[in-house]
Amino acid sequence: ETGVTQSPTHLIKTRGQQVTLRCSSQSGHNTVSWYQQALGQGPQFIFQYYREEENGRGNFPPRFSGLQFPNYSSELNVNALELDDSALYLCASTGGTGDEAFFGQGTRLTVV
Amino acid sequence: QKEVEQNSGPLSVPEGAIASLNCTYSDRGSQSFFWYRQYSGKSPELIMFIYSNGDKEDGRFTAQLNKASQYVSLLIRDSQPSDSATYLCAVNRGGDDKIIFGKGTRLHILP
Repeated sequence: ETGVTQSPTHLIKTRGQQVTLRCSSQSGHNTVSWYQQALGQGPQFIFQYYREEENGRGNFPPRFSGLQFPNYSSELNVNALELDDSALYLCASTGGTGDEAFFGQGTRLTVV
Repeated sequence: QKEVEQNSGPLSVPEGAIASLNCTYSDRGSQSFFWYRQYSGKSPELIMFIYSNGDKEDGRFTAQLNKASQYVSLLIRDSQPSDSATYLCAVNRGGDDKIIFGKGTRLHILP
């Protein structure tokens, strides 16, 4: 149990739709990172939020966007969904005494 | 060159033997190194982290770091069937403090 929670756990969307995924970070952690993990691949860094500001972005198009709230929870929004967006989306929180990242259980997104 | 490279496997090891997992990274400024275990359909679970050159032991797990060679490894002693999983190597890039993952190595412990 990492204290990082994500919702929903599973989601099916149609191509072209929009989706919002949510993450509550571990208590005391002020940094949230989002990752996309396709089947058989390692997690790919999407972006990171630190104290409500985007703090770095991976190689993902602008239709991937996010927010962080004053309580450090975060949202990942994906517009104009494509079939290739089907993946496990992982949220990780950091910012405690070390820089280890602790993951939520993930959201499995399927785009049909 | 990928930032974090791992052999994708599968690596098959007999129960009770030592499993050795390897990882190389490209950013010489990297300061922190992590090993995560991921069971199929689950999220990654942190099992070891190491910051300094040398070995770090925690139970059956030993992480080894060689910054000069840009190489990190994980040894699992007395391998158990429950150790069968994908092991992800991750590196905290020194420049921008982002954690970047390799593709993972699938480990299969043979009963």
